[in-house]
Amino acid sequence: SAVISQKPSRDICQRGTSLTIQCQVDSQVTMMFWYRQQPGQSLTLIATANQGSEATYESGFVIDKFPISRPNLTFSTLTVSNMSPEDSSIYLCSVIPGQGSYGYTFGSGTRLTVV
Amino acid sequence: SQQGEEDPQALSIQEGENATMNCSYKTSINNLQWYRQNSGRGLVHLILIRSNEREKHSGRLRVTLDTSKKSSSLLITASRAADTASYFCATPTTGGTSYGKLTFGQGTILTVHP
Repeated sequence: SAVISQKPSRDICQRGTSLTIQCQVDSQVTMMFWYRQQPGQSLTLIATANQGSEATYESGFVIDKFPISRPNLTFSTLTVSNMSPEDSSIYLCSVIPGQGSYGYTFGSGTRLTVV
Repeated sequence: SQQGEEDPQALSIQEGENATMNCSYKTSINNLQWYRQNSGRGLVHLILIRSNEREKHSGRLRVTLDTSKKSSSLLITASRAADTASYFCATPTTGGTSYGKLTFGQGTILTVHP
């Protein structure tokens, strides 16, 4: 299964600033997913990123707040823009598995604290 | 409410005991997956059970699936302190523009005391 390198692992940011999170996959994957996990909560999908097309955002998430890039089949970034304390969460990227019975692969997560 | 609801929300047991977590979902599925998350880090895939399977084993893990009740359970036998983590069930969307999207349950926080 794929291996994902996610950076940064954590950051403390001032409100009003932006943070870009990167995910590098060791193999080519068609679909990449970005999730948010608010403190003590489960994971919620922010958007699906396919290479060569605009990301598809879930209800409640907009491109201006969470712009996503997917320049090739191994890399994607998620930017959290104009941050407020409510954006303090863990952000995770994930890729869809290949054939077989393997589950999805997740990055190690970015723990963001906005002060 | 969200697809994939789990109970209990928190479970505290002693090492050596068994831990059972339950998950319910709302829509038809092709498979159901269980994940573990340690200390708010990335998720690790534990086991996948397909809709035509009723039970599956992997080491100390046993998963059951009842599609008529839209429910699944995860059993961890002979638990260890290292099993302390949050456990989530998840179901993938099977078609349309949301293909591949995983919907997660609320999760169970398992604490295993040495």
